[in-house]
Amino acid sequence: KQEVTQIPAALSVPEGENLVLNCSFTDSAIYNLQWFRQDPGKGLTSLLLIQSSQREQTSGRLNASLDKSSGRSTLYIAASQPGDSATYLCAVGQGAQKLVFGQGTRLTINP
Amino acid sequence: DTGVSQDPRHKITKRGQNVTFRCDPISEHNRLYWYRQTLGQGPEFLTYFQNEAQLEKSRLLSDRFSAERPKGSFSTLEIQRTEQGDSAMYLCASSLASTGREQFFGPGTRLTVL
Repeated sequence: KQEVTQIPAALSVPEGENLVLNCSFTDSAIYNLQWFRQDPGKGLTSLLLIQSSQREQTSGRLNASLDKSSGRSTLYIAASQPGDSATYLCAVGQGAQKLVFGQGTRLTINP
Repeated sequence: DTGVSQDPRHKITKRGQNVTFRCDPISEHNRLYWYRQTLGQGPEFLTYFQNEAQLEKSRLLSDRFSAERPKGSFSTLEIQRTEQGDSAMYLCASSLASTGREQFFGPGTRLTVL
């Protein structure tokens, strides 16, 4: 059974810092990996999708990497802003059927 | 291009009542997913449709839960005889196989069972 773990559970940093969120998974037989952002009480916003054959994806200040062999992914956020405060969720795609999610990292950027 | 929509956004019901939620996926997406999220946790998979066919159901989906996707368009999720443990955010997502199966989520339906 696939298990996804995100560390840390919560992170608070001052504005302007670069930061890294971590995601690990137990079964390397994944189809893809997605990073999402969730604001309180809201749905999920897709940030980045990495296919299993890819090593990284970039969008603006965000960069996500994938190392299937070690079961790890990282989300790098450059020059953090207060608007980046949210919960960040990592999810691995198991075939066509479903995403398996971690519990998320709650990020607070302090002005 | 409209995203995934869900209705209602909030539902408060008494224990034992039946509730039904609706999801409208992105128009050209042939895959539709339902997830449930409780406070402080990541979403958990409930069920998945490809067009109108329901292809997988999680063990989380008890006999009180039923989902349909008539004509492969919108989907409904019904919960019969609601229990307090059903209180959660119910999320719908859709995807298209040709775009690497990236899933796009709706805003969710928050269910509170009193």
